[in-house]
Amino acid sequence: QQQVKQSPQSLIVQKGGISIINCAYENTAFDYFPWYQQFPGKGPALLIAIRPDVSEKKEGRFTISFNKSAKQFSLHIMDSQPGDSATYFCAATGGGAGSYQLTFGKGTKLSVIP
Amino acid sequence: DAGVTQSPTHLIKTRGQHVTLRCSPISGHKSVSWYQQVLGQGPQFIFQYYEKEERGRGNFPDRFSARQFPNYSSELNVNALLLGDSALYLCASSLVSGFAQGNGYTFGSGTRLTVV
Repeated sequence: QQQVKQSPQSLIVQKGGISIINCAYENTAFDYFPWYQQFPGKGPALLIAIRPDVSEKKEGRFTISFNKSAKQFSLHIMDSQPGDSATYFCAATGGGAGSYQLTFGKGTKLSVIP
Repeated sequence: DAGVTQSPTHLIKTRGQHVTLRCSPISGHKSVSWYQQVLGQGPQFIFQYYEKEERGRGNFPDRFSARQFPNYSSELNVNALLLGDSALYLCASSLVSGFAQGNGYTFGSGTRLTVV
């Protein structure tokens, strides 16, 4: 049972463009939604995270939009750069005793072309 | 400051063998989590240890076991290896268990296990 569905699987964006990755979750007990960036040969690194008490969070060129009623959240990368080329994972956690583990989406491979 | 250190970086084992993977958390971090990342997929939770106690276990068979030592380092053991165990095994450390504000999880670069 996949509790966090991520799309698209891959994404090609022109330099300077906006990259948008979407995730949907099923478990209404989730209360923390991080995004991770992973480069080849490295572990995932936390990019930005949001909790359901806000609908949007912005950090530099990265923005999370959160829609609690639709159980969806998305990552927007503004002014995408070739250095942003990586695999991005959304994740979710929360719900009392299960709040020690992250449930990840399947990932989106982003390629930013010059 | 050193990040999360995992060893070995790469490993090739034969079906049926046993493997031990090691993780040293960031200094001062008392919680270690293990994740399995199969090629092309997101990481899947295996275990979390906090203060040497198992806090949680994911949906993995009993062939998988782990422990945490007094210095907070951790080992992941996998017995009777199957081809399907081939994956990147990631360790993440954090100050404490859970995802309260300010308690970030830092992943290591992982151990790439290949079972032949």
